[in-house]
Amino acid sequence: DIQLTQSPSSLSASVGDRVTITCRASQSISSHLNWYQQKPGKAPQLLIYAASSLQTGVPSRFSGTGSGTDFTLTISSLQPEDFATYYCQQSYSIPMSTFGQGTKLEIK
Amino acid sequence: QVQLVQSGAEVKKPGSSVKVSCKASGGTFTNFAITWVRQAPGQGLEWMGGIIPIFGPGNYAQKFQGRVTITADESTHTAYMELSSLRSEDTAVYYCATVTYGRAIGTWWFDPWGQGTLVTVSS
Repeated sequence: DIQLTQSPSSLSASVGDRVTITCRASQSISSHLNWYQQKPGKAPQLLIYAASSLQTGVPSRFSGTGSGTDFTLTISSLQPEDFATYYCQQSYSIPMSTFGQGTKLEIK
Repeated sequence: QVQLVQSGAEVKKPGSSVKVSCKASGGTFTNFAITWVRQAPGQGLEWMGGIIPIFGPGNYAQKFQGRVTITADESTHTAYMELSSLRSEDTAVYYCATVTYGRAIGTWWFDPWGQGTLVTVSS
C-alpha cells in the first residue's frame, strides 16, 4: 500500500501569512496527488487535482506543486476562511487509494 | 452539477450491520463511480473502498476486506455501502464521493462529496 505522510500535523499562522504543507509518498506516484480542505462538521472539498491543477472556483492563492514522492500545498496569503484541515490523497493506485493523516491549520 | 445525497444517521448495536445509501442527481452519469471514506470522531479521513465500473466489482481497503460491501445501481444512480460485524470503533461519519476521471490529464479525484452519514455503534 502507498503511504502518505503530511507535515506538519498542525500549524498556527496569521491572516496574510504564506503557508506550505508537505505530503510525502512512500513510493513514486507521478502527479497522481490531490488536495482537499475540510472545515468542522462539513464534507471535504477538492482544492487541487493532479498535483497542481486548481479546481474550478478555488481561489488562486492556493497552489500545488510536486511530482514523484514530494508534494506541497501553498496558500500565498491566508484568509480567515482558510483555517481548516487539509488532506492529500493519492490516486496512483486507483481503484485503491489512501489519504494523508491531515494538517490542521489554526489561527495564531 | 452532480449532487450526492446520503441517507440519514443510524444507531446500531455491536455485531449488527449498517447499509448507507448515496443518491446522485443533477448531472449526466456515463460512468457511475463512487468511493466511500469514513472519519471517526476527531480523526482523519480513511479510504474504505469504491466501485468504478471499468475495474469491475468493488475494491476495498485491506482493513475492511470481508466486512464491507459496496454496490451501485446505475438505473437509480444510487450507491450503497454495507458494513457488517459492527464494533464501537466503527462509530464515524461515512462519506460517499464521486470518482472523477480527467481524461486530458489521465488521473482521478474525488468530487463532489455527499453530506456524510453518522453511524453510531453502541450497546
